[in-house]
Amino acid sequence: AQSVTQPDIHITVSEGASLELRCNYSYGATPYLFWYVQSPGQGLQLLLKYFSGDTLVQGIKGFEAEFKRSQSSFNLRKPSVHWSDAAEYFCAVGPQTNAGKSTFGDGTTLTVKP
Amino acid sequence: DVKVTQSSRYLVKRTGEKVFLECVQDMDHENMFWYRQDPGLGLRLIYFSYDVKMKEKGDIPEGYSVSREKKERFSLILESASTNQTSMYLCASSPLTSMGGIQYFGAGTRLSVL
Repeated sequence: AQSVTQPDIHITVSEGASLELRCNYSYGATPYLFWYVQSPGQGLQLLLKYFSGDTLVQGIKGFEAEFKRSQSSFNLRKPSVHWSDAAEYFCAVGPQTNAGKSTFGDGTTLTVKP
Repeated sequence: DVKVTQSSRYLVKRTGEKVFLECVQDMDHENMFWYRQDPGLGLRLIYFSYDVKMKEKGDIPEGYSVSREKKERFSLILESASTNQTSMYLCASSPLTSMGGIQYFGAGTRLSVL
């Protein structure tokens, strides 16, 4: 069965500092990988996705993530965090079928200090 | 842009009531999903549907049922609401084919059962 682990429940960074959110997955084949962001009181929005090819993927809002097969990881990064990045972030893994069902991690809450 | 609309942002119901949560998507997506989101537990899949009148149980279907009579609409039904069903409910949709499982979320319905 597939699973996703986000080891950090809560991270606090200062505005302008760099950010890395960790994600490890368990899946039998090459998965589809996603990062979603949820602003307070809102639904989830896709930040970026990895399907195949270049292991460094760029997303919206200046985020990027790197797929490392050997470490079963898909960590999210941003070089300089803005106060508006404060939100909850979810990593997800999806099967390569048409069913579209994904498994989500428990989320990491990001707090940005001024 | 894909739009997933949940009929209510906030609902307050009494124990034992039958509750309907409605979700409509406007992008002709085949797949639709219902999740509940609780602090520290991430997103848990209740039910999903991959076609009209087709449904499959997710990870926590107990106490819930669903209905999909039209492709664009997916309803979650709490037959007899209980206090432990107080939660945030998120609806999502995704296309069947090449987009590989990207899910588009509604803004959520926060349900309180008193």
